[in-house]
Amino acid sequence: AQKVTQAQTEISVVEKEDVTLDCVYETRDTTYYLFWYKQPPSGELVFLIRRNSFDEQNEISGRYSWNFQKSTSSFNFTITASQVVDSAVYFCALRIAAGNKLTFGGGTRVLVKP
Amino acid sequence: DTAVSQTPKYLVTQMGNDKSIKCEQNLGHDTMYWYKQDSKKFLKIMFSYNNKELIINETVPNRFSPKSPDKAHLNLHINSLELGDSAVYFCASSTTNRQTYGYTFGSGTRLTVV
Repeated sequence: AQKVTQAQTEISVVEKEDVTLDCVYETRDTTYYLFWYKQPPSGELVFLIRRNSFDEQNEISGRYSWNFQKSTSSFNFTITASQVVDSAVYFCALRIAAGNKLTFGGGTRVLVKP
Repeated sequence: DTAVSQTPKYLVTQMGNDKSIKCEQNLGHDTMYWYKQDSKKFLKIMFSYNNKELIINETVPNRFSPKSPDKAHLNLHINSLELGDSAVYFCASSTTNRQTYGYTFGSGTRLTVV
Protein backbone atom coordinates (compact mmCIF):
# COMPACT_ATOMS: atom_id res chain seq x y z
CA ALA A 1 0.00 0.00 0.00
CA GLN A 2 1.09 3.54 -0.65
CA LYS A 3 1.25 6.29 1.90
CA VAL A 4 1.96 10.02 1.75
CA THR A 5 2.78 12.02 4.86
CA GLN A 6 2.73 15.78 5.15
CA ALA A 7 3.83 16.31 8.71
CA GLN A 8 3.15 20.05 8.77
CA THR A 9 -0.56 20.69 9.16
CA GLU A 10 -0.28 24.46 9.07
CA ILE A 11 2.44 27.00 8.34
CA SER A 12 2.08 30.71 8.90
CA VAL A 13 4.53 33.18 7.34
CA VAL A 14 4.76 36.86 6.63
CA GLU A 15 4.74 37.98 3.03
CA LYS A 16 8.10 37.68 1.24
CA GLU A 17 9.31 34.91 3.51
CA ASP A 18 10.22 31.57 1.97
CA VAL A 19 8.22 28.53 3.00
CA THR A 20 9.06 24.86 2.50
CA LEU A 21 6.43 22.14 2.61
CA ASP A 22 7.59 18.64 3.42
CA CYS A 23 6.29 15.50 1.76
CA VAL A 24 7.42 11.96 2.55
CA TYR A 25 6.04 8.99 0.66
CA GLU A 26 6.07 5.23 1.00
CA THR A 27 5.77 2.71 -1.78
CA ARG A 28 7.34 -0.61 -2.71
CA ASP A 29 6.98 0.11 -6.39
CA THR A 30 10.00 1.30 -8.31
CA THR A 31 8.02 3.28 -10.85
CA TYR A 32 5.70 5.91 -9.54
CA TYR A 33 4.58 9.50 -9.98
CA LEU A 34 4.51 12.30 -7.46
CA PHE A 35 2.26 15.33 -7.62
CA TRP A 36 1.60 18.59 -5.86
CA TYR A 37 -1.81 20.26 -5.89
CA LYS A 38 -2.92 23.61 -4.54
CA GLN A 39 -6.37 24.13 -3.06
CA PRO A 40 -7.08 27.86 -2.61
CA PRO A 41 -9.94 29.10 -0.40
CA SER A 42 -12.27 28.89 -3.42
CA GLY A 43 -11.97 25.11 -3.15
CA GLU A 44 -10.79 23.84 -6.51
CA LEU A 45 -7.76 21.58 -6.85
CA VAL A 46 -5.07 23.12 -9.01
CA PHE A 47 -2.34 20.94 -10.48
CA LEU A 48 1.18 22.26 -9.82
CA ILE A 49 3.65 19.58 -10.82
CA ARG A 50 4.16 15.93 -11.66
CA ARG A 51 7.48 14.17 -11.17
CA ASN A 52 8.37 10.64 -12.35
CA SER A 53 10.32 8.35 -10.04
CA PHE A 54 13.12 7.96 -12.57
CA ASP A 55 13.67 11.70 -12.88
CA GLU A 56 15.31 13.16 -9.81
CA GLN A 57 16.02 16.55 -11.30
CA ASN A 58 14.82 19.38 -9.19
CA GLU A 59 12.47 21.80 -10.83
CA ILE A 60 11.84 25.49 -10.61
CA SER A 61 8.81 27.31 -11.91
CA GLY A 62 8.78 30.98 -11.06
CA ARG A 63 8.66 31.28 -7.28
CA TYR A 64 7.97 27.57 -6.89
CA SER A 65 10.62 24.89 -6.65
CA TRP A 66 10.59 21.21 -5.89
CA ASN A 67 13.27 18.99 -4.41
CA PHE A 68 12.89 15.28 -5.12
CA GLN A 69 15.17 12.90 -3.20
CA LYS A 70 14.57 9.20 -3.68
CA SER A 71 17.12 8.33 -1.01
CA THR A 72 14.89 9.87 1.64
CA SER A 73 11.56 9.31 -0.19
CA SER A 74 10.84 13.00 -0.07
CA PHE A 75 9.38 15.46 -2.52
CA ASN A 76 9.51 18.86 -0.87
CA PHE A 77 8.03 22.07 -2.20
CA THR A 78 9.37 25.57 -1.61
CA ILE A 79 7.63 28.86 -2.24
CA THR A 80 10.12 31.69 -2.49
CA ALA A 81 9.14 35.22 -1.52
CA SER A 82 5.64 34.17 -0.54
CA GLN A 83 2.64 36.29 -1.40
CA VAL A 84 -0.82 36.52 0.12
CA VAL A 85 -2.23 34.74 -2.95
CA ASP A 86 -0.15 31.70 -1.99
CA SER A 87 -2.44 31.15 0.99
CA ALA A 88 -4.00 27.75 0.36
CA VAL A 89 -3.89 24.12 1.32
CA TYR A 90 -1.19 22.22 -0.55
CA PHE A 91 -1.42 18.50 -1.18
CA CYS A 92 1.30 16.07 -2.10
CA ALA A 93 0.11 12.90 -3.85
CA LEU A 94 1.47 9.62 -5.19
CA ARG A 95 0.43 7.22 -7.91
CA ILE A 96 2.19 3.97 -8.69
CA ALA A 97 2.65 3.14 -12.36
CA ALA A 98 0.71 -0.10 -12.06
CA GLY A 99 -2.26 1.51 -10.39
CA ASN A 100 -4.80 4.19 -11.09
CA LYS A 101 -5.54 5.91 -7.86
CA LEU A 102 -3.91 9.01 -6.50
CA THR A 103 -3.03 8.73 -2.83
CA PHE A 104 -3.00 12.10 -1.10
CA GLY A 105 -1.18 13.36 1.95
CA GLY A 106 -3.19 15.13 4.60
CA GLY A 107 -2.36 18.57 3.21
CA THR A 108 -0.50 21.56 4.61
CA ARG A 109 -2.35 24.81 5.10
CA VAL A 110 -0.18 27.81 4.26
CA LEU A 111 -1.22 31.18 5.57
CA VAL A 112 0.68 34.15 4.21
CA LYS A 113 0.08 37.32 6.17
CA PRO A 114 0.62 40.77 4.64
CA ASP B 1 -14.70 24.98 -22.17
CA THR B 2 -14.54 23.52 -18.68
CA ALA B 3 -12.45 20.36 -18.75
CA VAL B 4 -14.16 18.51 -15.89
CA SER B 5 -17.52 19.84 -14.87
CA GLN B 6 -19.64 18.59 -12.05
CA THR B 7 -23.10 19.63 -10.98
CA PRO B 8 -24.45 20.81 -8.71
CA LYS B 9 -21.80 22.89 -6.98
CA TYR B 10 -23.78 22.97 -3.74
CA LEU B 11 -26.30 20.46 -2.49
CA VAL B 12 -28.21 20.78 0.76
CA THR B 13 -30.59 17.97 1.58
CA GLN B 14 -32.26 16.21 4.45
CA MET B 15 -31.26 12.93 5.97
CA GLY B 16 -32.80 9.95 4.26
CA ASN B 17 -33.05 11.57 0.84
CA ASP B 18 -31.51 10.22 -2.35
CA LYS B 19 -29.36 12.53 -4.45
CA SER B 20 -27.13 12.44 -7.51
CA ILE B 21 -24.04 14.35 -8.56
CA LYS B 22 -23.15 14.49 -12.23
CA CYS B 23 -19.73 14.71 -13.80
CA GLU B 24 -18.62 15.20 -17.39
CA GLN B 25 -15.17 15.57 -18.91
CA ASN B 26 -14.30 16.82 -22.38
CA LEU B 27 -10.61 15.95 -22.29
CA GLY B 28 -10.91 12.60 -24.03
CA HIS B 29 -9.57 10.87 -20.92
CA ASP B 30 -10.43 7.24 -20.45
CA THR B 31 -10.42 7.06 -16.66
CA MET B 32 -12.67 8.92 -14.24
CA TYR B 33 -12.80 9.06 -10.46
CA TRP B 34 -14.76 10.17 -7.47
CA TYR B 35 -12.89 11.51 -4.45
CA LYS B 36 -14.31 12.55 -1.12
CA GLN B 37 -12.83 15.40 0.92
CA ASP B 38 -13.89 15.39 4.55
CA SER B 39 -14.11 18.27 6.97
CA LYS B 40 -10.43 17.92 7.84
CA LYS B 41 -9.53 18.31 4.16
CA PHE B 42 -8.44 14.71 3.79
CA LEU B 43 -8.92 13.45 0.22
CA LYS B 44 -9.70 9.82 -0.39
CA ILE B 45 -10.62 7.95 -3.52
CA MET B 46 -14.03 6.32 -3.68
CA PHE B 47 -14.39 4.91 -7.20
CA SER B 48 -12.64 4.77 -10.52
CA TYR B 49 -13.96 3.84 -13.95
CA ASN B 50 -11.94 3.07 -17.03
CA ASN B 51 -13.88 3.06 -20.28
CA LYS B 52 -17.14 2.53 -18.37
CA GLU B 53 -15.71 -0.36 -16.36
CA LEU B 54 -15.40 -0.12 -12.57
CA ILE B 55 -11.75 -0.63 -11.63
CA ILE B 56 -11.50 0.82 -8.15
CA ASN B 57 -14.11 0.47 -5.46
CA GLU B 58 -12.72 1.48 -2.10
CA THR B 59 -14.44 0.75 1.17
CA VAL B 60 -17.51 2.83 0.55
CA PRO B 61 -21.02 2.15 1.89
CA ASN B 62 -23.17 0.52 -0.77
CA ARG B 63 -25.52 3.49 -0.49
CA PHE B 64 -23.06 5.09 -2.90
CA SER B 65 -23.41 3.88 -6.45
CA PRO B 66 -21.42 5.24 -9.38
CA LYS B 67 -22.71 5.01 -12.92
CA SER B 68 -20.76 5.60 -16.10
CA PRO B 69 -22.98 5.72 -19.19
CA ASP B 70 -19.95 6.48 -21.37
CA LYS B 71 -16.32 7.29 -20.81
CA ALA B 72 -16.98 11.01 -20.66
CA HIS B 73 -19.49 10.79 -17.81
CA LEU B 74 -19.35 9.45 -14.29
CA ASN B 75 -22.27 10.12 -11.99
CA LEU B 76 -22.56 9.42 -8.29
CA HIS B 77 -25.85 8.43 -6.74
CA ILE B 78 -26.27 8.38 -2.98
CA ASN B 79 -29.20 6.67 -1.29
CA SER B 80 -30.53 7.29 2.20
CA LEU B 81 -28.21 10.19 2.93
CA GLU B 82 -26.68 10.40 6.40
CA LEU B 83 -25.17 13.30 8.31
CA GLY B 84 -21.72 11.76 7.88
CA ASP B 85 -22.01 12.00 4.12
CA SER B 86 -21.55 15.75 4.36
CA ALA B 87 -18.33 16.49 2.50
CA VAL B 88 -16.96 17.89 -0.72
CA TYR B 89 -17.04 15.40 -3.58
CA PHE B 90 -14.58 15.81 -6.41
CA CYS B 91 -14.79 14.23 -9.79
CA ALA B 92 -11.55 13.79 -11.72
CA SER B 93 -10.29 12.31 -14.94
CA SER B 94 -6.93 11.10 -16.17
CA THR B 95 -5.22 9.66 -19.19
CA THR B 96 -3.36 6.36 -19.19
CA ASN B 97 -0.63 7.84 -21.34
CA ARG B 98 2.43 7.54 -19.12
CA GLN B 99 4.09 10.44 -20.84
CA THR B 100 1.35 12.80 -19.83
CA TYR B 101 -0.04 11.32 -16.63
CA GLY B 102 -2.11 13.93 -14.95
CA TYR B 103 -5.34 14.29 -13.11
CA THR B 104 -7.82 17.04 -13.79
CA PHE B 105 -10.30 17.72 -11.06
CA GLY B 106 -13.73 19.24 -11.19
CA SER B 107 -14.51 22.18 -8.95
CA GLY B 108 -16.20 20.01 -6.35
CA THR B 109 -19.72 19.52 -5.02
CA ARG B 110 -20.27 20.56 -1.43
CA LEU B 111 -22.89 18.22 0.00
CA THR B 112 -24.53 19.19 3.27
CA VAL B 113 -26.91 16.75 4.91
CA VAL B 114 -29.15 18.27 7.57
